[in-house]
Amino acid sequence: GNSVTQMEGPVTLSEEAFLTINCTYTATGYPSLFWYVQYPGEGLQLLLKATKADDKGSNKGFEATYRKETTSFHLEKGSVQVSDSAVYFCALSASGTDKLIFGTGTRLQVFP
Amino acid sequence: DTGVSQNPRHKITKRGQNVTFRCDPISEHNRLYWYRQTLGQGPEFLTYFQNEAQLEKSRLLSDRFSAERPKGSFSTLEIQRTEQGDSAMYLCASSPRQGRDTEAFFGQGTRLTVV
Repeated sequence: GNSVTQMEGPVTLSEEAFLTINCTYTATGYPSLFWYVQYPGEGLQLLLKATKADDKGSNKGFEATYRKETTSFHLEKGSVQVSDSAVYFCALSASGTDKLIFGTGTRLQVFP
Repeated sequence: DTGVSQNPRHKITKRGQNVTFRCDPISEHNRLYWYRQTLGQGPEFLTYFQNEAQLEKSRLLSDRFSAERPKGSFSTLEIQRTEQGDSAMYLCASSPRQGRDTEAFFGQGTRLTVV
């Protein structure tokens, strides 16, 4: 079946450090891939997405590249800020369906 | 505020009672989804609607769960004879059209505690 696996947290970084959160997926066909973010006290919101192999999604300094050969969609940011502290969810939407399948989430804590 | 609205935000109920949650999607969004999220886990799909038609239900949705979207606008999720295992955050999301690349807009959720 379809599934998403992402690295466990929390990830603790100092401000301006480089961030990588790993995400791999299992899916039939050609899924769309997403990163959603949940800031404290807020609802989930879309951070970025990619809909086909080799696409790069980017937003707010975050990037992720759809790698079909490694079935991965790792989230990266070159210099994190305290305001990036949140829970990050990797998700996919498989061919033939609009529902999202989420990973377990990775909590990021950035300290000044 | 034109975002997805969920009510109530919190609900505490005794085991065996029935509860109902409401979701108001973004105006003119024809897709509406329900998800459930337990502590330390990602959201799990429960069901979704295209206008008033319920198109898919997860195996997670037992017979005690029912969802409706009678006029294709707001939706309700009812849980009958609640159990402690039903304690979770119930999330609603809407999207403007079908398509697996379409962004889903989430509400802040209703947190259910069954005591």
